[in-house]
Amino acid sequence: KQEVTQIPAALSVPEGENLVLNCSFTDSAIYNLQWFRQDPGKGLTSLLLIQSSQREQTSGRLNASLDKSSGRSTLYIAASQPGDSATYLCAMGGSYQLTFGKGTKLSVIP
Amino acid sequence: GAVVSQHPSWVICKSGTSVKIECRSLDFQATTMFWYRQFPKQSLMLMATSNEGSKATYEQGVEKDKFLINHASLTLSTLTVTSAHPEDSSFYICSALPRDRGFTDTQYFGPGTRLTVL
Repeated sequence: KQEVTQIPAALSVPEGENLVLNCSFTDSAIYNLQWFRQDPGKGLTSLLLIQSSQREQTSGRLNASLDKSSGRSTLYIAASQPGDSATYLCAMGGSYQLTFGKGTKLSVIP
Repeated sequence: GAVVSQHPSWVICKSGTSVKIECRSLDFQATTMFWYRQFPKQSLMLMATSNEGSKATYEQGVEKDKFLINHASLTLSTLTVTSAHPEDSSFYICSALPRDRGFTDTQYFGPGTRLTVL
């Protein structure tokens, strides 16, 4: 059974700092890896999707990487802003089965 | 594009009553929708997969007679929590898989419904 772990559970950084969020998984035979953002009491917003054959994806200040051999993915956020404050979830799987981590709660301090 | 809505956004009910939550894909058709439950500080847990025109598939440990799912059209799935109890209080999120998704395997998520059972 796929297990997804996100460390740290919470992170607080000053505005402007670059940061990395970590996600590890137990089953390397994955289909896709996806990073989501969740604001308090809200649903999920998809940030980046890395397909199994890819190693990374970039969107604006966000860069996500995937290393299946080590069972890890990272989400890099450049020049963090207070508006980036949210919980970031990673999820493994294909179209029909997503396994989520518990998330990392990010606070960017002005 | 690819917007999913849920209604209601929050609901408070008395123990023993039933609550219906709607999930709609607004600008696309979805043959498959998913229902998740999220407890505080926990990850999303898949409850069931809803397929248009057929019975839902429930994950292990989820009572199908308690959580009734109906996917009557390509844009609407409903989750009914029957005889709700306080332990059913949670954040329920649906997602939809576009019927015509090309090379994308992304599920599109609704904004969630906060259920509180008194």
